[in-house]
Amino acid sequence: SAVISQKPSRDICQRGTSLTIQCQVDSQVTMMFWYRQQPGQSLTLIATANQGSEATYESGFVIDKFPISRPNLTFSTLTVSNMSPEDSSIYLCSVGTGRYQHFGDGTRLSIL
Amino acid sequence: TQLLEQSPQFLSIQEGENLTVYCNSSSVFSSLQWYRQEPGEGPVLLVTVVTGGEVKKLKRLTFQFGDARKDSSLHITAAQPGDTGLYLCAGEHSGAGSYQLTFGKGTKLSVIP
Repeated sequence: SAVISQKPSRDICQRGTSLTIQCQVDSQVTMMFWYRQQPGQSLTLIATANQGSEATYESGFVIDKFPISRPNLTFSTLTVSNMSPEDSSIYLCSVGTGRYQHFGDGTRLSIL
Repeated sequence: TQLLEQSPQFLSIQEGENLTVYCNSSSVFSSLQWYRQEPGEGPVLLVTVVTGGEVKKLKRLTFQFGDARKDSSLHITAAQPGDTGLYLCAGEHSGAGSYQLTFGKGTKLSVIP
């Protein structure tokens, strides 16, 4: 399976600031996804990162809050904008299809 | 919205005991996956089941997909401390694109030596 690297692995941020999370894959992949895992909760799909076009967002998530870039088939970024304490979560990228998705180790984000 | 209910939410057992984790829904899924997540890491895919009634074994772990493809179970025989972790089931939405997954809330397993 693909090796997925996420940066940063964790961060503590001030409210009102923005943070960009990077996801790098060691091989070209068609499908890349961004998930959020809130404390004590399961994984929720934020959006599908589409190469060369705008990301496809799930209900409850908007581009202004979570802008996503996908410049090529091995790299994507997720920005968490204008952060508030409610954004404290683990953010995970994954690659693959519905049946065989593989995840990075996540970015643990805390907002003060 | 297709929901997956996992039970139990927490499980603490002694080394050597057997256990079963359940994943239930009122919806039909094209496939169902089981993941294990350890602290500080992302979920790791353990198995994917596709056919109703399918049984897959991974060493001491046995996975079963319900006949109607609405539920699944994970059975661990003779649990070891290395089995400790968060177990997540995820269903692939039937009829939707092949990338949509719905995750259960997880079962946090602690195996005590």
